[in-house]
Amino acid sequence: EAGVAQSPRYKIIEKRQSVAFWCNPISGHATLYWYQQILGQGPKLLIQFQNNGVVDDSQLPKDRFSAERLKGVDSTLKIQPAKLEDSAVYLCASSGRGGRNTGELFFGEGSRLTVL
Amino acid sequence: AQKITQTQPGMFVQEKEAVTLDCTYDTSDPSYGLFWYKQPSSGEMIFLIYQGSYDQQNATEGRYSLNFQKARKSANLVISASQLGDSAMYFCAMREDYSGGGADGLTFGKGTHLIIQP
Repeated sequence: EAGVAQSPRYKIIEKRQSVAFWCNPISGHATLYWYQQILGQGPKLLIQFQNNGVVDDSQLPKDRFSAERLKGVDSTLKIQPAKLEDSAVYLCASSGRGGRNTGELFFGEGSRLTVL
Repeated sequence: AQKITQTQPGMFVQEKEAVTLDCTYDTSDPSYGLFWYKQPSSGEMIFLIYQGSYDQQNATEGRYSLNFQKARKSANLVISASQLGDSAMYFCAMREDYSGGGADGLTFGKGTHLIIQP
């Protein structure tokens, strides 16, 4: 079974530029999450999708961040314009509430953003 | 107040020794889940173990066990017979089941950097 795919793995941009990250969850997983992990900290939830609807975006800085999951499968997270403090790893995760019924999240390898 | 507190920023442990990583949590939900994830230097988050708030027994997965003390709101991870490959960041996380609207994202602690020495 293929895992959560993310791209690009690395991105370096100047402040005020824009950037987009792509995520393809595990096949059949209805729930998709975007997390931001700043160096030395734990991941922080930005947004949760259930199919193509937003369930929780309370911690998403909506003045500069946007995310969509138009067909309920893959998702894009965009930052425009980027600030220095947006330098972080952006992790995508999916959950299918499978047989274990733990709600375990499966994470991708992350997209590392450096804003100069 | 922080929902997940990990008080050990870093730990050094001798190979083959057991190690306990501390985690305390704060919630008023009666139903919740507690998770531990491992993050090696490569960056991926690897699920280790899960404990539900209503589970009567402590969870175990191979060399990992979770010391769940509900009254103390504590969910410490115990790794038996540590190996060099256990060196990584370890994160405790919680899912609150009654957040409302179906929101069930995990809240993570700041992590503990574990280094296993030969």
